Amino acid sequence: QITLKESGPTLVKPTQTLTLTCTFSGFSLSTSAVGVGWIRQSPGKALEWLALIYWDDDKRYSPSLKSRLTITKDTSKNQVVLTMTNVDPVDTATYYCAHGKAWFGELSTTYYFDYWGQGTLVTVSS
Amino acid sequence: EVVLTQSPGTLSLSPGERATLSCRASQSVSSSDLVWFQQKPGQSPRLLIYGASIRATGIPDRFSGGGSETDFTLTISRLEPEDFAVYYCQQYGSSLTFGGGTKVEIK
Repeated sequence: QITLKESGPTLVKPTQTLTLTCTFSGFSLSTSAVGVGWIRQSPGKALEWLALIYWDDDKRYSPSLKSRLTITKDTSKNQVVLTMTNVDPVDTATYYCAHGKAWFGELSTTYYFDYWGQGTLVTVSS
Repeated sequence: EVVLTQSPGTLSLSPGERATLSCRASQSVSSSDLVWFQQKPGQSPRLLIYGASIRATGIPDRFSGGGSETDFTLTISRLEPEDFAVYYCQQYGSSLTFGGGTKVEIK
């Protein structure tokens, strides 16, 4: 059974660095064709993908946020950490982590998020 | 970056009716890369469809996905009370993006 849980501060001041941890069970990030992604959702808004780390330590970032994000994994602890620098009130959102599963299509390999954490609400305010 | 535009923004229907949701991409997307999620208030998104048309485990067959290139569709053949929610499409390509969502509400 795959489960994921996000943890981190609920309140962060503008300009500070936000660090979020995703602790998971039921799979290993050292197993091929697996990834963990971070997605956020501002109140009342749509989902926004942030970053994705793969089993082989390859990483992908949202182009619009790439300069502010860092994603890392600790395979021994079954954790993925996302750091976001220089936060602003517009970064107030529920942050989700999700298990990425590879699917080998006809022409290429893709990943989709099949298990999600419950999300953690982060408020950026002074 | 591929922009996904979902329409309509809100769909007002009655239980038992058919729902057709659209997801239009700003450039061609591989069908393999197109995914649909359902999200209810206060809940995390739930995977419905991957590969544009493959139902995820446990998803009822009243949900079906289709389309190709820039036009994709999620169809709910007969709405059940638990289907009233927000639906998002998402693509995994050169960059990963979500659509703005379609809310299916009770008429």
